Amino acid sequence: GAGVSQTPSNKVTEKGKYVELRCDPISGHTALYWYRQSLGQGPEFLIYFQGTGAADDSGLPNDRFFAVRPEGSVSTLKIQRTERGDSAVYLCASSTTDREQFFGPGTRLTVL
Amino acid sequence: QKEVEQNSGPLSVPEGAIASLNCTYSDRVSQSFFWYRQYSGKSPELIMSIYSNGDKEDGRFTAQLNKASQYVSLLIRDSQPSDSATYLCAVNAIQGGKLIFGQGTELSVKP
Repeated sequence: GAGVSQTPSNKVTEKGKYVELRCDPISGHTALYWYRQSLGQGPEFLIYFQGTGAADDSGLPNDRFFAVRPEGSVSTLKIQRTERGDSAVYLCASSTTDREQFFGPGTRLTVL
Repeated sequence: QKEVEQNSGPLSVPEGAIASLNCTYSDRVSQSFFWYRQYSGKSPELIMSIYSNGDKEDGRFTAQLNKASQYVSLLIRDSQPSDSATYLCAVNAIQGGKLIFGQGTELSVKP
């Protein structure tokens, strides 16, 4: 079956701009997670949805970051007033067993 | 102290040898443990999960968990050049919750 998909695969933006990153989880997976990964580091947790609600948003670095999952399937990560430090690979994962998480291909965000 | 620690490597082994990758974690209530493989420029791929003390084998891979020592390891038998990648250890304290990752160990298998 289809895995987790993420769009766009690459996003280049200018400092101060707004960006949206999309994640489409594996069909039937109720849990959806956002992580970001910088070069040479492991993924860092951002936010976790169970259904439509954010079950844990403790990893969002500040109020410029926001994520939604209005119908319990597709999720959008929104970043306002982007900064160069936001440059990273943003990874989405989904899970049905509440244990094993499966990752999408990621979106590489570059803020110039 | 980092929550999940791995030796960043690189770990270099000859083809056909056993590669041993280690991970320690700080949160004693951790319940679930995972190994992901990540090729350069790609996203993490789940290769092993382990939830109880002892060994779990899947093909050439064996995961070992010791909760008393807060230690989890991954053994790769008959290592192949295609196993060359970064291996990420991840720990979950609450079922269904976030994963805490180590920084990864780079493995290089030389032909």
